[in-house]
Amino acid sequence: SQQGEEDPQALSIQEGENATMNCSYKTSINNLQWYRQNSGRGLVHLILIRSNEREKHSGRLRVTLDTSKKSSSLLITASRAADTASYFCATSNFGNEKLTFGTGTRLTIIP
Amino acid sequence: DAGVIQSPRHEVTEMGQEVTLRCKPISGHNSLFWYRQTMMRGLELLIYFNNNVPIDDSGMPEDRFSAKMPNASFSTLKIQPSEPRDSAVYFCASSRGQGANQPQHFGDGTRLSIL
Repeated sequence: SQQGEEDPQALSIQEGENATMNCSYKTSINNLQWYRQNSGRGLVHLILIRSNEREKHSGRLRVTLDTSKKSSSLLITASRAADTASYFCATSNFGNEKLTFGTGTRLTIIP
Repeated sequence: DAGVIQSPRHEVTEMGQEVTLRCKPISGHNSLFWYRQTMMRGLELLIYFNNNVPIDDSGMPEDRFSAKMPNASFSTLKIQPSEPRDSAVYFCASSRGQGANQPQHFGDGTRLSIL
């Protein structure tokens, strides 16, 4: 079963705007990861945030984690056409060595 | 640095044929994962190896699927006999350490079509 569910399923914004994607999950996690997938390519790791962390940054990316609400968000600031891709959250549970991926958000940046 | 290398990139074959997908993980990574991606089911973990040993194969759909990792630099996923419902993109990923506690590095996948 899917652990993470992204929201929205699809998002279109103008270049230069900020994009926010959300991920909700059902059970306690060890860590949560965000990945990007360009069309026809494999997934690329963006950020890993552990359950005892609340926020992480990487360049134009900002990830937050709220374990009380079982949710995470990915913010991409000053979006570029090259950010057009699908974005997935993935969770791992304590004692479980698997990553469970969500259904993804399809992000389109309009030049 | 070379990433995860998968071959072939595309495979089209008729049902009933044997299909073998290949993966070379990143050197120094000791965990290897096989995933399947479809529109209907999303990304599913099929099997996970750590130090060349299969740790969890609960995602393997049925006995027609088998995976091996004879050494640290090579793994295969085999489907025999293949069926049209096996059509999907198959990804191999590798990571340092164990399980899901580290970032996973994905290959570009094998797009498999079973006619």
